[in-house]
Amino acid sequence: AQKITQTQPGMFVQEKEAVTLDCTYDTSDPSYGLFWYKQPSSGEMIFLIYQGSYDQQNATEGRYSLNFQKARKSANLVISASQLGDSAMYFCAMREGNTGGFKTIFGAGTRLFVKA
Amino acid sequence: DTGVSQDPRHKITKRGQNVTFRCDPISEHNRLYWYRQTLGQGPEFLTYFQNEAQLEKSRLLSDRFSAERPKGSFSTLEIQRTEQGDSAMYLCASSVDRGIFGETQYFGPGTRLLVL
Repeated sequence: AQKITQTQPGMFVQEKEAVTLDCTYDTSDPSYGLFWYKQPSSGEMIFLIYQGSYDQQNATEGRYSLNFQKARKSANLVISASQLGDSAMYFCAMREGNTGGFKTIFGAGTRLFVKA
Repeated sequence: DTGVSQDPRHKITKRGQNVTFRCDPISEHNRLYWYRQTLGQGPEFLTYFQNEAQLEKSRLLSDRFSAERPKGSFSTLEIQRTEQGDSAMYLCASSVDRGIFGETQYFGPGTRLLVL
């Protein structure tokens, strides 16, 4: 079974609008961390935001926020005020604290296109 | 601090040849990871080092693959008797030990391998 599912292969958003990138995950480990990374066409993975399974509040980092719904096992990334430079691949990832060792599992990604 | 560097950035080789990639992590980072990313997919975990010790290896890492991190600084990933299925982007990441969840992994630009 897929541990990380990103159902949107591609998304379009108008510049300055907000966009939500979906991510659902599957784990029976009560201790886990969720991450979002951005990968521009240059290829380098850039860390955006982190949410721990025990964190009470949704994580925010500048224009990025993580909509964490634990019961639904979803960790959607919200980008506010989209910019042209946000056009890239976005990956959701997870680490399982008790069972996963040091392995980080990535989803297949969502390609975001920001239109001027 | 120049970030994580990888060398070479691109490698074309013929099937059956051996190739070696190098990763130089951020200097104070004691954790080092190797990932493989094929087209249209997210990175897949290959192996993990804490200092010079290789603590975890994925089943993806067949006996043709070997990784080292002598003296806990740079790391090398060698692929022997390359196969066309080895064609992928090989990513290296490093981090500081802050517990298993919240660490931020900083990725290098990757080495793109093409096996003819």
